[in-house]
Amino acid sequence: EPEVTQTPSHQVTQMGQEVILRCVPISNHLYFYWYRQILGQKVEFLVSFYNNEISEKSEIFDDQFSVERPDGSNFTLKIRSTKLEDSAMYFCASSDERAYEQYFGPGTRLTVT
Amino acid sequence: DQQVKQNSPSLSVQEGRISILNCDYTNSMFDYFLWYKKYPAEGPTFLISISSIKDKNEDGRFTVFLNKSAKHLSLHIVPSQPGDSAVYFCAASLRYSGGGADGLTFGKGTHLIIQP
Repeated sequence: EPEVTQTPSHQVTQMGQEVILRCVPISNHLYFYWYRQILGQKVEFLVSFYNNEISEKSEIFDDQFSVERPDGSNFTLKIRSTKLEDSAMYFCASSDERAYEQYFGPGTRLTVT
Repeated sequence: DQQVKQNSPSLSVQEGRISILNCDYTNSMFDYFLWYKKYPAEGPTFLISISSIKDKNEDGRFTVFLNKSAKHLSLHIVPSQPGDSAVYFCAASLRYSGGGADGLTFGKGTHLIIQP
């Protein structure tokens, strides 16, 4: 059964460093998403990506964040200069239709020290 | 701003009985609703969805009911099994409303514990 994969499973970084989180969405899906979940809080939408451009972004997704689909399979989230409050689980998701059932990867736990 | 609310942080149910998880929403523009299940250290797994033009959708042991006038939905699991123990998230979207809103809005989740 096709699934969304994410690497790394856990990333530890120092405040101010850049991190890139990687995702491989389900191959025939057209819409790609990033969400985050801070410990003990709800899953929050960050950004959606369709047709090689950002479709929608939340207020959390500020200038420190960027997304890219560098090739036909990968989808990345870059945080330019990490802050302590960026520590969270980051989930990638994909869907074959807009705002339809989204399939999530296992997540990357980002720890900023 | 909690547009999607799950007011029960946890629920304990005996194996074989019915589990009922509840969810309320405040944004009347939401038109598509989903339930996800999440185990520790895994991503949310899609379970079942319902569009606002329906009031019930069933898939095996899982049934979702939607009451638009009350802005309330519920997930019924019958019969409950030990493997159902997980955190269940309710989510909503503006699938048909348009406006470019693609992201799902999640509730905080309900931890379902199935007791043998």
